Amino acid sequence: AQTVTQSQPEMSVQEAETVTLSCTYDTSENNYYLFWYKQPPSRQMILVIRQEAYKQQNATENRFSVNFQKAAKSFSLKISDSQLGDTAMYFCAFMKRAAGTYKYIFGTGTRLKVLA
Amino acid sequence: KAGVTQTPRYLIKTRGQQVTLSCSPISGHRSVSWYQQTPGQGLQFLFEYFSETQRNKGNFPGRFSGRQFSNSRSEMNVSTLELGDSALYLCASSLEPGPYGYTFGSGTRLTVV
Repeated sequence: AQTVTQSQPEMSVQEAETVTLSCTYDTSENNYYLFWYKQPPSRQMILVIRQEAYKQQNATENRFSVNFQKAAKSFSLKISDSQLGDTAMYFCAFMKRAAGTYKYIFGTGTRLKVLA
Repeated sequence: KAGVTQTPRYLIKTRGQQVTLSCSPISGHRSVSWYQQTPGQGLQFLFEYFSETQRNKGNFPGRFSGRQFSNSRSEMNVSTLELGDSALYLCASSLEPGPYGYTFGSGTRLTVV
């Protein structure tokens, strides 16, 4: 069975600095997708970044980038120039195709606080 | 373009009652998924609907059910509520089942007393 592990329950970072959130997963699949979602206090989860496992190149979205290490089954999120609005819960998620549809598994989340 | 709309935002129910939660996906999105979020368990998958058919179901008891209408709106129902059903229930939509990423609603906070 697939699992997703986020080993850092809480983290903090100074405004304008860089922070990296870790995520590891366990799968025997070769074709899958990985995501980072952000859940601010407003509760609405927002897709931050998406990575396709068959692509070697790390995904980037503005200040957000990932370090995807397929062999190590690691998918960390780097936030550059942290802003107060980045304060949120961050969830790593794994998705694969299964039984005619797609199955998502979420990690338990990392609570990030950006300090002024 | 309106986002995913979940109603109500907050709900307080008594143990043993039943509850219905509603989700309207983004216009054009035909796939709707439901998740239960609790501090201890994180996000747990409940069901996925596409074109009015349940495509996938998580490991929840039969008290949890759902449906999708022809306009893609979805409802989930929980019967015989238990204290442990207190959670944030999140609805997520996508164009169709696939690795596209979800658009989530703001959730319904259900408290069972």
